[in-house]
Amino acid sequence: GAVVSQHPSWVICKSGTSVKIECRSLDFQATTMFWYRQFPKQSLMLMATSNEGSKATYEQGVEKDKFLINHASLTLSTLTVTSAHPEDSSFYICSARDLGAGSGANVLTFGAGSRLTVL
Amino acid sequence: DAKTTQPPSMDCAEGRAANLPCNHSTISGNEYVYWYRQIHSQGPQYIIHGLKNNETNEMASLIITEDRKSSTLILPHATLRDTAVYYCIVRVDTNAGKSTFGDGTTLTVKP
Repeated sequence: GAVVSQHPSWVICKSGTSVKIECRSLDFQATTMFWYRQFPKQSLMLMATSNEGSKATYEQGVEKDKFLINHASLTLSTLTVTSAHPEDSSFYICSARDLGAGSGANVLTFGAGSRLTVL
Repeated sequence: DAKTTQPPSMDCAEGRAANLPCNHSTISGNEYVYWYRQIHSQGPQYIIHGLKNNETNEMASLIITEDRKSSTLILPHATLRDTAVYYCIVRVDTNAGKSTFGDGTTLTVKP
């Protein structure tokens, strides 16, 4: 089945630095990927829709200059948290859909997540 | 996408069936019901989905009421590894697949 890989799985950084998280579709092409963040004991919150070859679409309240998304190829989307602060510490999860999966094409496949801790 | 309502938590004895309800009274005719689960500190995992008919796969069964305003996910023989947060999502099947998560149900399977 479809596999989505995220890297790194966890990262610790100093306040003020930028952190890049990669999301790869390993065995399928994804023109669209989705980025979520999740705080402890809370549900997933959709941050943005990543579109291959064009600008990402951000959900209301998500700062596009703070969370830079690049989807330069059909198998890779990146999320860069710029000038990270402790309040950006969270679990970031990406997902994608394998449109070539026949009856499984409607299913979202999620990455394992990336845990960011900002000191 | 239609809003869903799930109980915040449920317990189930190991080996017994777990029945997780979901209300989606404002569902539209072209919206599907999807179920995912999230085991602690992992990404969500797809379980099952359906439109009108009941569905079954190797993981679970999905029962959708005739008026489609509610559904039930059934794990026929729950194991300790089924302890997770279960999310019911209702959405149209556009090319995007954008999905909004509610609070889900925390299922705890007990020995």
